[in-house]
Amino acid sequence: DTGVSQNPRHKITKRGQNVTFRCDPISEHNRLYWYRQTLGQGPEFLTYFQNEAQLEKSRLLSDRFSAERPKGSFSTLEIQRTEQGDSAMYLCASSPYRLVQETQYFGPGTRLLVL
Amino acid sequence: AQSVTQLGSHVSVSEGALVLLRCNYSSSVPPYLFWYVQYPNQGLQLLLKYTSAATLVKGINGFEAEFKKSETSFHLTKPSAHMSDAAEYFCAVTIYSSASKIIFGSGTRLSIRP
Repeated sequence: DTGVSQNPRHKITKRGQNVTFRCDPISEHNRLYWYRQTLGQGPEFLTYFQNEAQLEKSRLLSDRFSAERPKGSFSTLEIQRTEQGDSAMYLCASSPYRLVQETQYFGPGTRLLVL
Repeated sequence: AQSVTQLGSHVSVSEGALVLLRCNYSSSVPPYLFWYVQYPNQGLQLLLKYTSAATLVKGINGFEAEFKKSETSFHLTKPSAHMSDAAEYFCAVTIYSSASKIIFGSGTRLSIRP
């Protein structure tokens, strides 16, 4: 069990560019979550997958954001036409699907800075 | 809708002193409650969770929390602070019928004075 991994750990981009982040969950965890954390705040839910199906999306996830989990393993989060307000830490978590109170295990996050 | 409120964005205690981090929740249905810890430049680590079993929940690193329905509280305590406890602590809530999102509080930064 190597834990949840995220790449890259840091990303600096210019406004208007597209960025893509990758999350590799703990193997055999069929639920995968994305959260966004801005400075001084707690994480905010963005979306989650059960296997390859995206089951819920937050209203925070504008049309510029898209997430995929094509084979039910790793996931990608893409932000198109980045804005300075997108600067944040993007956290990925995974959990097994049994009961709702299953622990979500978090990765180290990808810190995005939009200049 | 569910929410949590963490009282105090920054708490400072002396090494060896009692740690008390306050959290109040709001939920129209029985909640599941969590405390997570975040060290600098790291992800979140679960300290403990309440899932309607015992109201006093023991977690890792000597932390514990007590669920008080009458006060809608889930405060985190540790009898004796250690320098390594310095971190950001988040209280969070979810409900049994929503096996997805966790709602986090805004966090409390814990500092330990030597």
